Amino acid sequence: SYELTQPPSVSVSPGQTARITCSADALPKQYAYWYQQKPGQAPVLVIYKDTERPSGIPERFSGSSSGTTVTLTISGVQAEDEADYYCQSADSSGTYPVVFGGGTKLTVL
Amino acid sequence: EVQLVESGGVLVQPGGSLRLSCEASGFTFSSYAMSWVRQAPGRGLEWVSAISGGGGSTYYADSVKGRFTISRDNSKNTLYLQMNSLRAEDTAVYSCAKDLQLAPSGCDYWGQGTLVTVSS
Repeated sequence: SYELTQPPSVSVSPGQTARITCSADALPKQYAYWYQQKPGQAPVLVIYKDTERPSGIPERFSGSSSGTTVTLTISGVQAEDEADYYCQSADSSGTYPVVFGGGTKLTVL
Repeated sequence: EVQLVESGGVLVQPGGSLRLSCEASGFTFSSYAMSWVRQAPGRGLEWVSAISGGGGSTYYADSVKGRFTISRDNSKNTLYLQMNSLRAEDTAVYSCAKDLQLAPSGCDYWGQGTLVTVSS
């Protein structure tokens, strides 16, 4: 199997910058995707292909990639950003085209 | 407007079978890969299976390989998941998701899910 590693939790104060990382061996070769999920709701795609932001997603959400780690950055965090965030990618062989990280709970203090 | 509506989730005994359906609308169904993703109560997202837009390529997580079968009927805009030999650990909300492209990658639309409970 193939695994993506995320920190279980990240906490920031309103207005600060939150960074959530996701690490895996194949990330230099495979795109990463980020989802936001609030309780009782379906996931929402907030970043695709490492750095692209879907229409309707606030500009404070951005993505970056460096080696085996991708990062979701939320600048000027707002209370409404409190949610679980999941990264998603694929293994290098194509056997597992969709793999999710374990998720990161973002708490806005 | 893209809509994905799952159905078929019920209470089933261990070892039983179930077929989930996902009716899609608002986009050209055959042009996009589709996935099934599950989430057990209080747990994270777990990818289950994916299928290419034409249906010729299918993919499975190790946890369901040999027990679950994904399929699609592009004439009916419907995605299916046949689930056999169900186990307690298969209990979860199962959601279908539309991919960004013809082959599995990232998902831009998700259904609300259907609950599958495996228990005696």
